[in-house]
Amino acid sequence: GAGVSQSPRYKVAKRGQDVALRCDPISGHVSLFWYQQALGQGPEFLTYFQNEAQLDKSGLPSDRFFAERPEGSVSTLKIQRTQQEDSAVYLCASSRSLAGGLSYEQYFGPGTRLTVT
Amino acid sequence: KNEVEQSPQNLTAQEGEFITINCSYSVGISALHWLQQHPGGGIVSLFMLSSGKKKHGRLIATINIQEKHSSLHITASHPRDSAVYICAGIFSGGGADGLTFGKGTHLIIQP
Repeated sequence: GAGVSQSPRYKVAKRGQDVALRCDPISGHVSLFWYQQALGQGPEFLTYFQNEAQLDKSGLPSDRFFAERPEGSVSTLKIQRTQQEDSAVYLCASSRSLAGGLSYEQYFGPGTRLTVT
Repeated sequence: KNEVEQSPQNLTAQEGEFITINCSYSVGISALHWLQQHPGGGIVSLFMLSSGKKKHGRLIATINIQEKHSSLHITASHPRDSAVYICAGIFSGGGADGLTFGKGTHLIIQP
């Protein structure tokens, strides 16, 4: 079956450009997560959606980062005025909803490798 | 603060060896993931567990809630097991179940 897909897989941006990264979660998955993984580091949480509601954006590093999921399915992570420190792999994951305190397994997309020059 | 610590950071072993990767975490975890990441970035979830032990093929994951510790074991290791293995925790009470990741263990299995 179809897993989580992300596009583009690779993006090179000049410093100051805006970029938009797309995530298509597994159909029917209510929860969607964005993570940032710098080179040689473990991923770090950016933001979380339950359906179209952005319930946690505490990990977004600055107000240049913005995420949306308007119809509760596809999500876009937008970075405005990119800086070199934004260079990283951006991972998207989806899971079934959190119910009664039970957490479900997260399924990861292949990631988008962003390089800011 | 939610924290997940892994050891070792790097591990090189010979084919066939028994491998153990350790993970310790701060209080409040509701579930723990073991993930595998190959060069190129793709992450695959190996296990999610909140108690006891799980086994899948040559992989075994255990968790000890009292000691706040989990281990991933690989039996009869093979070069194709070479990857980064990441432990990640879901911390309860935070309102969202975004994962907190360890820094990963870079495993190389030599033929």
